[in-house]
Amino acid sequence: GENVEQHPSTLSVQEGDSAVIKCTYSDSASNYFPWYKQELGKGPQLIIDIRSNVGEKKDQRIAVTLNKTAKHFSLHITETQPEDSAVYFCAAPRSDDKIIFGKGTRLHILP
Amino acid sequence: DARVTQTPRHKVTEMGQEVTMRCQPILGHNTVFWYRQTMMQGLELLAYFRNRAPLDDSGMPKDRFSAEMPDATLATLKIQPSEPRDSAVYFCASGLRTGRGYEQYFGPGTRLTVT
Repeated sequence: GENVEQHPSTLSVQEGDSAVIKCTYSDSASNYFPWYKQELGKGPQLIIDIRSNVGEKKDQRIAVTLNKTAKHFSLHITETQPEDSAVYFCAAPRSDDKIIFGKGTRLHILP
Repeated sequence: DARVTQTPRHKVTEMGQEVTMRCQPILGHNTVFWYRQTMMQGLELLAYFRNRAPLDDSGMPKDRFSAEMPDATLATLKIQPSEPRDSAVYFCASGLRTGRGYEQYFGPGTRLTVT
């Protein structure tokens, strides 16, 4: 069945460096790709999303890129800060409209 | 600032007891989701509703879980009887449809511990 693969599961980067998280999906008809950030003890928070009619979207230090041919999309965080430490989830809709989440990436920003 | 609210935030109960979790979606959102999050399984979709009608509850163990929307401002998830393996964080999210997906806004979750 359709699923979403997310890599890496854990990522440590030095403060100020960039972080990249990648997801692949299997349903070629998927057309909406959100990213969520989950801090300890809180629910996931939508931070950015992209629709299939664009290849890249940027919001300050975060950006998402989409490659529909290869069926993958990525989250890019530049100039990382301590408050970026969290778990990040990607998601994609399935043909039955169910939203499938990746397993998450735990991002550590090192001082 | 519109938010999804969930009650209770924490619940500790003994095996066999009934547990009811409540969610107030964001006003104007017509789709409500229930998720369960564990370390092993990640975020699992249990059920979702659109315009208060259940669209899919295939992610729920039918014999013990039930989800309802008595009105547009309240969604409930009930477990009866509860078991230790139900221990998890349960999230409610409300959303707006976009394309084939949904912009979802999550509540703070209910942390359930069944002893």
